[in-house]
Parts: sequence; C-alpha cells; structure tokens
Amino acid sequence: DQQVKQNSPSLSVQEGRISILNCDYTNSMFDYFLWYKKYPAEGPTFLISISSIKDKNEDGRFTVFLNKSAKHLSLHIVPSQPGDSAVYFCVGRTGFQKLVFGTGTRLLVSP
Amino acid sequence: DTEVTQTPKHLVMGMTNKKSLKCEQHMGHRAMYWYKQKAKKPPELMFVYSYEKLSINESVPSRFSPECPNSSLLNLHLHALQPEDSALYLCASSRAGVQGLVEAFFGQGTRLTVV
Repeated sequence: DQQVKQNSPSLSVQEGRISILNCDYTNSMFDYFLWYKKYPAEGPTFLISISSIKDKNEDGRFTVFLNKSAKHLSLHIVPSQPGDSAVYFCVGRTGFQKLVFGTGTRLLVSP
Repeated sequence: DTEVTQTPKHLVMGMTNKKSLKCEQHMGHRAMYWYKQKAKKPPELMFVYSYEKLSINESVPSRFSPECPNSSLLNLHLHALQPEDSALYLCASSRAGVQGLVEAFFGQGTRLTVV
C-alpha cells in the first residue's frame, strides 16, 4: 500500500529550464509534506516543506505547491542546474514524527 | 554542525554474528530515527526515539534492537540477521518540539550485507 506515489520514475530537463516533480498521496492524515533529494551513497537532504494548511511555499529556486482536494503536490525548480541531478523524494508526515517516503523521481539536468 | 555521523559506512556480517550500528549528532536534537532502505525502494521507518525513550516501533523483528544511551547517540544492535535484511540503514535526527518533525537530518547510512 504505497501512500505516497511519484508516478514519474525519471525526468530529464535542460539546464536553465523549469523542473516539475509531481507527487500524489492517499493518506488524509498527512499534516505536513517535505521534499528530500538524495545523491548516490549519501543520506537524503532536506529541501523544502509545506504544512497541509498552506498551498504554496517558496525557498529560493524551490517552490512546493499543495492541492489538498486533489491530494497532489508538486515541486518546481527554477532555474534547473546540473547539480540538481539527484533522486527526489516526496514525503508525508503523520503522527508528528513518522515520515512516509514516496517512490522517488530521478531528475537529470543536462548542460 | 548539521551533521549526523554513522559508523561503519559498510558492514558485512554472517547470519550468526552480533554487530552494532552507531549514529551520533551534536545538534541538540531530542528525536532520533532509524530507517531502512532496500535497493530501488524508498526509506522505511523502523524506530523513533524521543527524549531517549522509544516512541515508535514499526513492528520491526526482534533481531533488530535499538538503543539510545544519551541524547546524542543512537545504536542499532543486530543479531541473527537474514540475507533479506541486507539494506542501507539510515539514521536521522530532528527537533522534538510541539510542532513535531518539520525537518530531519539524515546520516550517510550504513550499507549492510548479510551473508
């Protein structure tokens, strides 16, 4: 039972363009959402988060949008850079401390 | 210092061995976590410690035994593991305030192989 789904296993974007990573969830108990990126042989690194009572949060090049009625999130990266190439995880929080990771999307940004 | 340090980075152990994974943080975080990540799968929560007390056990088999000796250290004791327990084991820490977990810092992980 995958509570957080990232239906695109991979995404390729050119440097300077926008990257849009999508995420759908099924658990209505998620009260917070986070995005993490992961390079090979490293632990996940926190990027940005959003409370379930908000619909948008922005931090530099990263913006997360939440459509609660559709149970859908998206992460926008503008402009994309080659160093952004990594696996991105959409994560839902439930019960204050439990993080449920999505399946991940591998982003490749080419020069 | 925003680092979570895990040792060892790699571990190969036999099914009859006893070994321990270690995790350390000096960010003053009072919540610490163990996650397990199998190949090509997302990380899955195993245990949560809040203020050095076990608060969540995600029905993990008893061959995995967590320990939190103080607010900076988290151990995972391993005994009689199976080959299917081979995975990347990730430690994380976060503040433990009334807001709950809003940002967790992860270590690099320990790559465990059970032979």
